Amino acid sequence: DQQVKQNSPSLSVQEGRISILNCDYTNSMFDYFLWYKKYPAEGPTFLISISSIKDKNEDGRFTVFLNKSAKHLSLHIVPSQPGDSAVYFCAASGGYGGSQGNLIFGKGTKLSVKP
Amino acid sequence: DAGVIQSPRHEVTEMGQEVTLRCKPISGHNSLFWYRQTMMRGLELLIYFNNNVPIDDSGMPEDRFSAKMPNASFSTLKIQPSEPRDSAVYFCASSLWVSGSYEQYFGPGTRLTVT
Repeated sequence: DQQVKQNSPSLSVQEGRISILNCDYTNSMFDYFLWYKKYPAEGPTFLISISSIKDKNEDGRFTVFLNKSAKHLSLHIVPSQPGDSAVYFCAASGGYGGSQGNLIFGKGTKLSVKP
Repeated sequence: DAGVIQSPRHEVTEMGQEVTLRCKPISGHNSLFWYRQTMMRGLELLIYFNNNVPIDDSGMPEDRFSAKMPNASFSTLKIQPSEPRDSAVYFCASSLWVSGSYEQYFGPGTRLTVT
């Protein structure tokens, strides 16, 4: 049973517009959430994170929103650039009594930003 | 820092052969993780170590899989004997576990093909 779900396998956006990637989770014990970006033939790279005590975290063009009551988080990229084209993974941790950083990953959303 | 180093980058082997994947974590990190990525199951955790000690190996699929971390700068994942269904990309990741910090840093992965 998937504890972290990314229901959209792909997303296509025009350059300069906003990209919104969504993620849902089922375990209410999760207390930390991360987004990773992955290019082909490379490992995932950390992008941005948010603690469950916050509802928003911003870093440049990237903003993550957390809605704990809905068990939902989203990543906003504004403005989107062609270099943002990659697979984005949502990950969650803390559902194991703080088990030293164990992360549960979603299956990813492939973002394509068209010039 | 060179980041997480994995070798080999690509491995093609015949069914029944032994396969050994290697990982050098980032210097100073105290946690190491082995993941497997497939189309069907996404990115799944196989095993992780903290201070060279295996903490959770519940993700290891079968007894054919084994992992070791003899020191803080080296880990291996061994498959013996290998089977075609083991074909996947295997990632190693490391992190510096401190309270409230969950970011993991991934290597480039090893693409394993078992024929």
